[in-house]
Amino acid sequence: SQQGEEDPQALSIQEGENATMNCSYKTSINNLQWYRQNSGRGLVHLILIRSNEREKHSGRLRVTLDTSKKSSSLLITASRAADTASYFCATAPFGNEKLTFGTGTRLTIIP
Amino acid sequence: DVKVTQSSRYLVKRTGEKVFLECVQDMDHENMFWYRQDPGLGLRLIYFSYDVKMKEKGDIPEGYSVSREKKERFSLILESASTNQTSMYLCASSLRDNQPQHFGDGTRLSIL
Repeated sequence: SQQGEEDPQALSIQEGENATMNCSYKTSINNLQWYRQNSGRGLVHLILIRSNEREKHSGRLRVTLDTSKKSSSLLITASRAADTASYFCATAPFGNEKLTFGTGTRLTIIP
Repeated sequence: DVKVTQSSRYLVKRTGEKVFLECVQDMDHENMFWYRQDPGLGLRLIYFSYDVKMKEKGDIPEGYSVSREKKERFSLILESASTNQTSMYLCASSLRDNQPQHFGDGTRLSIL
């Protein structure tokens, strides 16, 4: 069963706008990770946030984590056409080697 | 940069055939994973390995087996291919547990 669920399933915005995607999960985690997947390619790791962190930045990416609500958000600022992709959250439970991936948000940036 | 290489981008096989998907990583990672990706279902873990000759079942191991004879190579085997195994197969590796995974570009497998 899926641990993470992304919301929305699909999102279309104008280039230059900000994009926000959300992820909810069910059980306690060691960390939460976000990945991007361009069409027909493998996933690329974007950012990892640990359970004791609340916010993390990497370039135009900002990730927040609320462990009390079991949710995370990914914000992409000043979006570009090249940001068009699917975005997945993945949760890493304690004491478990496996990541569990959500079903993803398909982001389309309109030039 | 870590490179994970999958042997084929596209593969077409017939029902009942034994199919081998190969994956090689070049960064001495301990863990390797095989997923399948289907529309609306996200990534589902088939098998993973945390050491040479070690393997663990994932969420959907039925109909599959794996082999890890060398640290850098992890093979997925479809013992007797069926049409419901038509999918995108993704291999990944990670240095340690719960660390970022590095993915290959996937193999789009069609079983006719």
